[in-house]
Amino acid sequence: QITLKESGPTLVKPTQTLTLTCTFSGFSLSPTGVGVGWIRQPPGKALEWLGLIYGNDDKRYSPSLKTRLSITKDTSKNQVFLTMTNLDTVDTATYFCAHNRLFCRGDYCHVDYDYWGQGTLVTVSS
Amino acid sequence: QTLVTQESSLTVSPGGTVTLTCASTTGAVTYASYPNWFQQKPGQAPRSLIYSTSNRNPWTPARFSGSLFGGKAALTLSGVQPEDEADYYCLLYFGAIPVFGGGTKLTVL
Repeated sequence: QITLKESGPTLVKPTQTLTLTCTFSGFSLSPTGVGVGWIRQPPGKALEWLGLIYGNDDKRYSPSLKTRLSITKDTSKNQVFLTMTNLDTVDTATYFCAHNRLFCRGDYCHVDYDYWGQGTLVTVSS
Repeated sequence: QTLVTQESSLTVSPGGTVTLTCASTTGAVTYASYPNWFQQKPGQAPRSLIYSTSNRNPWTPARFSGSLFGGKAALTLSGVQPEDEADYYCLLYFGAIPVFGGGTKLTVL
């Protein structure tokens, strides 16, 4: 059974750096084609994809946020970390981590965010 | 800037059929966009319904189906149930970067 859970500070001051942890179970980040992504959702607004790390340490970031984001992992602890610098009030959101699978079946490849954490609300305020 | 657009809101009667669409400002949505669909109820995390255009996850009811139509990705709900009232988000890939749509609020009334 795959589970993920986000943890970290609930209140951060503007200009500070945020680090969130995603602790997961039920899968390993070692194989190629398995990753953990980060998605956020400001209150009352839409989902926004932030970035992704694969088991082979390949990383992808949202172009609009890539200068402020870093995603790393500790495979031995089954944890993935999201670091976001220079926070602003607009970064107030619920932050989710999600299991990502990339696989090919026959001539077609597929990608899916199939399991999600419950999310953690981060408020940016002075 | 790439945008993914969805209907802001739709209303459907119980037992009815409704189609939600997902379009890209850069052109037609194709299989290479790997359209994904998610359902989100208030206070809950999103739940994956459909991946790669039309593939259901094991927990996805058969009344949910995904397709491509008219250059867009589409999610059709047939025989809508009251519990289907939720926000629905699509996700499209532009190369290696996915982008969520703005979401559709589905009301069952």
